[in-house]
Amino acid sequence: EVQVVETGGGLVQPGGSLRLSCEASGFTFSTFWMHWVRQAPGKGLVWLSRISGGGSTTSYADSVRGRFTISRDNAKNTVYLQMNSLGVEDTALYYCATEGRGAPIDSWGQGTLVTVSS
Amino acid sequence: QSALTQPASVSGSPGQSITISCTGTSSDVGSYNLVSWYQQHPGEAPKLLIYEGSKRPSGVSTRFSGSKSGNTASLTISGLQAEDEADYYCCSFAGSSSYVFGTGTKVTVL
Repeated sequence: EVQVVETGGGLVQPGGSLRLSCEASGFTFSTFWMHWVRQAPGKGLVWLSRISGGGSTTSYADSVRGRFTISRDNAKNTVYLQMNSLGVEDTALYYCATEGRGAPIDSWGQGTLVTVSS
Repeated sequence: QSALTQPASVSGSPGQSITISCTGTSSDVGSYNLVSWYQQHPGEAPKLLIYEGSKRPSGVSTRFSGSKSGNTASLTISGLQAEDEADYYCCSFAGSSSYVFGTGTKVTVL
């Protein structure tokens, strides 16, 4: 069974940084693309970033390019999202999701909450 | 990377069929047969319903079906049930290795 667990959320001041982690299991981690998606309170889903199975290819939404960095450690079955220069607009539940069953975004974790506030 | 446009809400009675539209542009929905649909109940993570426009993963009810015409993709729920009350999102590949979600649709079962 595919499992995805995000950690690392919390309260951070505007301008601060935070690193989210996402540990996955139940599939051959190193062969699948991984994504980060966020959802502000009461709002819709927003795609943020993805990384290839080997980690050599990454892409970002315009809203986070240059501030967020996605990476992965296949030895630990973990993908990361380094978030810098955070603003109040970055307050959201951050989901990690994996490619699978033919779909680019298949299985999702339960999310980790990031609150940016002074 | 503007969000795909979905109706804010759609409602129907049990047993009826409803259709949710997802309108993009020739740069995303219109250019690729890579639209996915997700169901999200309150307080839960999204769940994949449809991928590549019309394919259903194993375990997803046949009451859910997808299609596309031009720049608009659609999700149809047949035989509406109380458990279908949820938020629904479309998602499309948008080129340059990026993706874009729809604005989301709240489905209410009357």
